[in-house]
Amino acid sequence: TQLLEQSPQFLSIQEGENLTVYCNSSSVFSSLQWYRQEPGEGPVLLVTVVTGGEVKKLKRLTFQFGDARKDSSLHITAAQPGDTGLYLCAVRFGNEKLTFGTGTRLTIIP
Amino acid sequence: DVKVTQSSRYLVKRTGEKVFLECVQDMDHENMFWYRQDPGLGLRLIYFSYDVKMKEKGDIPEGYSVSREKKERFSLILESASTNQTSMYLCASSDPIVQANTIYFGEGSWLTVV
Repeated sequence: TQLLEQSPQFLSIQEGENLTVYCNSSSVFSSLQWYRQEPGEGPVLLVTVVTGGEVKKLKRLTFQFGDARKDSSLHITAAQPGDTGLYLCAVRFGNEKLTFGTGTRLTIIP
Repeated sequence: DVKVTQSSRYLVKRTGEKVFLECVQDMDHENMFWYRQDPGLGLRLIYFSYDVKMKEKGDIPEGYSVSREKKERFSLILESASTNQTSMYLCASSDPIVQANTIYFGEGSWLTVV
């Protein structure tokens, strides 16, 4: 069984602060996705990364894919209340189906 | 925009009842999925389907079955609901050719079994 861990499990910070959340795997994966899920909604895809060392930016969000293809981080600059939600990473090991992490629940306090 | 619609947002059922959760997608996607989401456990795949009348077991298929009679519709069936099936259920769809890495989720169905 492939293990996918996200940390921290919960994070609560003030508006305007910066934060980083992490996704770590016990095995190398072929691609990784980050999703955000707002309360009462389904997850929505933010980004897909496929190349080791890859960095992608989406406005105030910066996604990094580790060189060893076993980890990823999501950094948010100047967090806004609209960033509140559950952040999920999902990985694909080879050609297998997606495996989701347990998520980081982020709360931004105005 | 892709639309994945789950017919029931909130349901309360009794132990032993048969429960149907319906899902419809409007983008002619080949693949459809059913997940359940529980605190601390993330999303776990119950069943998926690559085509009409095709179904494959996911990670936790016990106690569930599925039906895909039409391409746009994927139903999850709880033959005899139990309290440990109280959860949030998420339907999703994807197109393996056009957008292989993009999965579109519905808004979820909250099921409580009492």
